[in-house]
Amino acid sequence: QSALTQPASVSGSPGQSITISCTGTSSDVGGYNYVSWYQQHPGKAPKLMIYDVSKRPSGVSSRFSGSKSDNTASLTISGLQPEDEADYYCSSYESGSSYVFGIGTRVTVL
Amino acid sequence: QLQLVESGGGVVQPGRSLRLSCAASGFTFSNYAIHWVRQSPGTGLEWVAVISYDGGVQYYRDSVKGRFTVSRDNFENTLYLQMNSLRADDTGVYYCVREPCRASCFNFDFWGQGTLVTVSS
Repeated sequence: QSALTQPASVSGSPGQSITISCTGTSSDVGGYNYVSWYQQHPGKAPKLMIYDVSKRPSGVSSRFSGSKSDNTASLTISGLQPEDEADYYCSSYESGSSYVFGIGTRVTVL
Repeated sequence: QLQLVESGGGVVQPGRSLRLSCAASGFTFSNYAIHWVRQSPGTGLEWVAVISYDGGVQYYRDSVKGRFTVSRDNFENTLYLQMNSLRADDTGVYYCVREPCRASCFNFDFWGQGTLVTVSS
């Protein structure tokens, strides 16, 4: 149950695109198509942004997209906006009926 | 309006016990698996435990097995987390989190606001 690896921070200017990576192992990210992504603003609860690697819940902007290759999943935010500034966490189901989260990435809009 | 409201957090000495509660409303509680997820500054988000929609199945992270017990009362729409033999590394905000189906959706679609547990002497 080791945490998934994410960059500590990513930044971009308004309108740009950024990508956050999430690296695990064949026992979690690489073994299942059950990667999800969460956005968390300071003092708030996390919010589901992407599930099952690339699906968007109703109400989530199409500027958010997800993908996966081998043991690494990615979240891309297109057309970066000031309200996108937040912490982002990936999560994956892992063998043994448990879940693992990433360490979190702070997104800064310059 | 969907709500998950946690309570029961506080400051507790190492080795002692605490019971958290999570009151659900705005949806049919008995149709959903529910998880506990905790967050601390040092370790970020950490999955703790899950209980199936009917309470029949529970899973735990390795570090809390044998110390924590998750249970639910589908008549009272309430989830519980009994935490025994608490340690300093159990410190954090504990969130009650819904999985958007009875079983095996593998994501968390709604989170409560959390309750803070501090384990310290």
